[in-house]
Amino acid sequence: DAKTTQPTSMDCAEGRAANLPCNHSTISGNEYVYWYRQIHSQGPQYIIHGLKNNETNEMASLIITEDRKSSTLILPHATLRDTAVYYCIGSSGGSYIPTFGRGTSLIVHP
Amino acid sequence: NAGVTQTPKFQVLKTGQSMTLQCAQDMNHNSMYWYRQDPGMGLRLIYYSASEGTTDKGEVPNGYNVSRLNKREFSLRLESAAPSQTSVYFCASRVTGTVNTGELFFGEGSRLTVL
Repeated sequence: DAKTTQPTSMDCAEGRAANLPCNHSTISGNEYVYWYRQIHSQGPQYIIHGLKNNETNEMASLIITEDRKSSTLILPHATLRDTAVYYCIGSSGGSYIPTFGRGTSLIVHP
Repeated sequence: NAGVTQTPKFQVLKTGQSMTLQCAQDMNHNSMYWYRQDPGMGLRLIYYSASEGTTDKGEVPNGYNVSRLNKREFSLRLESAAPSQTSVYFCASRVTGTVNTGELFFGEGSRLTVL
């Protein structure tokens, strides 16, 4: 699985877009990019995933660069409840190990 | 839908005691995982089970054993607890296939303190 690199922390004003980057330069061709978030000490929660194309759902948008070496998770209108740790991981089929790094701690301030 | 259920949610042990953390999922997922999370750290994989009847070591398996009892249940056992095993433990499950897998579903966590 691809090793991912994320900034340790970021902050964002409430109501503004939060753009969280992830570098996954070693990602393989069949490896999806998954994003999760963890609020306080709860279990991580799935947000979105993608392979090549940009994706959008009710929670967020995912922009993947054409070379697939990096991606950006976008929370279009961040709220205080979006304060959490965000994890970017690679994932593919077959037998493999989903590996989480330390993620990005996002603080949304009033 | 209960999703992934972990028991107990809190436990205090003395050094040397043993205990088992239970995990059950009702989503018919074939793969299940046990992670631990220490303060300020990401999740580290202890053991996983890609399918019923199989288990494999993850990044930090020492001091733990697991049992994939059936498709639904995956337990984690501490035979002789040590203070270094004080942590929050998360169980997760997902569908895995040949092309891709589904997203991970996590339990609420089990907070273990070893004195």
